[in-house]
Order: sequence, then C-alpha cells, then structure tokens
Amino acid sequence: DAGVIQSPRHEVTEMGQEVTLRCKPISGHNSLFWYRQTMMRGLELLIYFNNNVPIDDSGMPEDRFSAKMPNASFSTLKIQPSEPRDSAVYFCASSAQGYEQYFGPGTRLTVT
Amino acid sequence: EDQVTQSPEALRLQEGESSSLNCSYTVSGLRGLFWYRQDPGKGPEFLFTLYSAGEEKEKERLKATLTKKESFLHITAPKPEDSATYLCAVQTSGNTPLVFGKGTRLSVIA
Repeated sequence: DAGVIQSPRHEVTEMGQEVTLRCKPISGHNSLFWYRQTMMRGLELLIYFNNNVPIDDSGMPEDRFSAKMPNASFSTLKIQPSEPRDSAVYFCASSAQGYEQYFGPGTRLTVT
Repeated sequence: EDQVTQSPEALRLQEGESSSLNCSYTVSGLRGLFWYRQDPGKGPEFLFTLYSAGEEKEKERLKATLTKKESFLHITAPKPEDSATYLCAVQTSGNTPLVFGKGTRLSVIA
C-alpha cells in the first residue's frame, strides 16, 4: 500500500497568491481529514469528509480556505489569497470505518 | 471542550534509562485514545489505540496504558532510534477527527 500521498511536499509562495494542496487517501478508506501543524498550536483539524461529503469545516480559519473531495481518491485544500500567517505544515489523513487515522508526509507551506 | 495535555514537553534520556510519558485528557465521552510517533519532517506514524480503562498494548520497547483520566507511554531501555516526538490524541466517536496534545519531544542519548 502506498499510504496517503500528498503534493507538493514543499511550497513557497508570495503573499496574495493562490495555493492548492493535494491529497490521495489510502484506497478503501472512507474518511479524510485535513490538519495543520504549527509550533505554537500543534496539530489542529481544518476540515473532514466522510464518504466524500464535508462534515465539519469549523476549523477552517477563514473564507480564504476551501476544500473539496470530488471523489474517493482525491482531495484538495485551497488557500486564496495566501498570507504569511498561513505558513505551516499541512497534513492529510485517512481512515477506514472510524479506526486509526493514517497520515501523509505533509506539505510544508511558506508564504513570504 | 475536549482537551489533551501531554507532559513533559521534552525529555532527555540516556540509552537504557526507562521512563514514562503522560497524556491526560478531558472529553465528553472517549471512544479511543491514540498514540503516534512523529519524526522530524514526517507525518505522524500510528502506534497504538486504547479503548477502555485498564487496557494495555505493547510494541517493542513501548507499552501504552489507559485509565479513565490519563494514558502513559512507557519506554523500556530506550535506544537512540526511539528519539522522536510522541503525540497523544483522543476521539469521541467513530469517523470523527482526533484532538491532539502538543506532544512530548524525546531525545535518547547514546
């Protein structure tokens, strides 16, 4: 099994630009989670999907953030426009039937 | 609000010096408590799930235990390769997000 796949692994962009992060969950998993990790706040949930349907997006910091899951094998997290305070590591995780979550390698985002 | 507190924030051990990491939690109802290991520049790696008080699970030099208020991760005779950040998380129902503590950064010195 290839595990959760995320791209890009690193992204450096200028303030105001659009950023799109991508995630491919483990095949057969029906839940997908987007988390953000910073030194100050640790790992925090942004949004999660069950069976491709968004369930809770209360962790999305602002309207600048949006996420989609068009099918069971792909999800995107978009930030438009990006700001320096968005700099963090973004993780995607997936799980099957509510059991343990498996994390991808993360995308390190730097907004200058 | 569900909360997870891990202590200590950082722990430095000599190789072979056993110790324990603590995870205390406050939740409305616990479905599962999870331990993860995170190496620098990588995503959290799943270690254990504990579902009920009194449950214990082991993997190599690690043993996780659970009470109604806290969990411990015991590390027996650690080696330098055990150096990592250990994260604890709780889940209140199936198919829902995990609430994470901030982790304990473990350094094992040869």
